Amino acid sequence: AQSVAQPEDQVNVAEGNPLTVKCTYSVSGNPYLFWYVQYPNRGLQFLLKYITGDNLVKGSYGFEAEFNKSQTSFHLKKPSALVSDSALYFCAVRDIRAGNNRKLIWGLGTSLAVNP
Amino acid sequence: DAGVIQSPRHEVTEMGQEVTLRCKPISGHDYLFWYRQTMMRGLELLIYFNNNVPIDDSGMPEDRFSAKMPNASFSTLKIQPSEPRDSAVYFCASSYHQETQYFGPGTRLLVL
Repeated sequence: AQSVAQPEDQVNVAEGNPLTVKCTYSVSGNPYLFWYVQYPNRGLQFLLKYITGDNLVKGSYGFEAEFNKSQTSFHLKKPSALVSDSALYFCAVRDIRAGNNRKLIWGLGTSLAVNP
Repeated sequence: DAGVIQSPRHEVTEMGQEVTLRCKPISGHDYLFWYRQTMMRGLELLIYFNNNVPIDDSGMPEDRFSAKMPNASFSTLKIQPSEPRDSAVYFCASSYHQETQYFGPGTRLLVL
């Protein structure tokens, strides 16, 4: 069965320090992987995705994520955190072999708090 | 493009009343998704459409929930009768082939 795990409910980091938000997944075939961010009282915003190609994916607002097939992980990273990065982050996966099934499997979210 | 548009943004109603949530997807998108978000259960996919046809409604909680997409630019999610446990934020999202789903601002529903 397909699944996504975000092992940390909350991540705290000081402004200016690097941040990592973890995501691991389980699919039968090759994955499509996504990161979204949700600011308070807002909808989810797309950050980046991995479909194929380079394992390091760069996205919006200086975020990047590294696809690691052997570890089935897709951790979100940023070299220098900003207070404005404080938000809820969601990882999602879809099995490529699902064909036209566009259903994403979502993690439960990780709350990121960047302290000034 | 204006993005995905949802209305109303906030809805307060009494138990037993009918609630209708509305969504206008991004023009040209051929997939439309309805989600529900709560603290307890996180983000849940309720139903999604492709070219106005419902593809997967396995997430619809029960018969009180129904969704329609009469044309490519409009969809509704209806709850009848509403119950307090339906209180949540309901999101609509749309996508076109490339997999990326674009979300609306959500409707915050409170059923008293």
